[in-house]
Amino acid sequence: EAQVTQNPRYLITVTGKKLTVTCSQNMNHEYMSWYRQDPGLGLRQIYYSMNVEVTDKGDVPEGYKVSRKEKRNFPLILESPSPNQTSLYFCASSPGRGGSPLHFGNGTRLTVT
Amino acid sequence: AQSVTQLDSHVSVSEGTPVLLRCNYSSSYSPSLFWYVQHPNKGLQLLLKYTSAATLVKGINGFEAEFKKSETSFHLTKPSAHMSDAAEYFCVVSDWKTSYDKVIFGPGTSLSVIP
Repeated sequence: EAQVTQNPRYLITVTGKKLTVTCSQNMNHEYMSWYRQDPGLGLRQIYYSMNVEVTDKGDVPEGYKVSRKEKRNFPLILESPSPNQTSLYFCASSPGRGGSPLHFGNGTRLTVT
Repeated sequence: AQSVTQLDSHVSVSEGTPVLLRCNYSSSYSPSLFWYVQHPNKGLQLLLKYTSAATLVKGINGFEAEFKKSETSFHLTKPSAHMSDAAEYFCVVSDWKTSYDKVIFGPGTSLSVIP
């Protein structure tokens, strides 16, 4: 089954404790992206990647890191999480053409205390 | 610069009545436009997309949307609401001719369906 898999689904952590949210897709998509969803703001792009070893900042990249060492994986790293990063996070992938729809994971709800 | 406005943050309809969710966009070039639906505790699912073919686009579950360039609108409609349509809906613009990976989401419209 074609899918984007995020882990974990729920994560509670404390300020400053490094964490990684994993994302994997099995559709051989070139394009992958991370979003955060906050009430009233829709989804905002954090980082995206057009291919292996090619990443770029989205609209809200501060406090986040990503890597794309393999085509299928695109982990999101929070080196020193802060409470304002409490949010619902989504990973998405697509073939990479502008008219292609995004395929989303089921989300990771992160709480930073 | 791209932007997406969803004119209603919340819409409430009775079951069996029509649904209208409004979306206006701004884009420098000819955009691709999408509607996604998000049910509670779920990821986003594609409802339909417009990519410069027919201006009236049909999607899943009886939804459709009409692209009106002169009004820069892409409103989502359904003739008869069902209880299972209660969800959050996002209008999305992708400006692929300038930066194809630039995807902008609207703030979302929450649809409630009253029995």
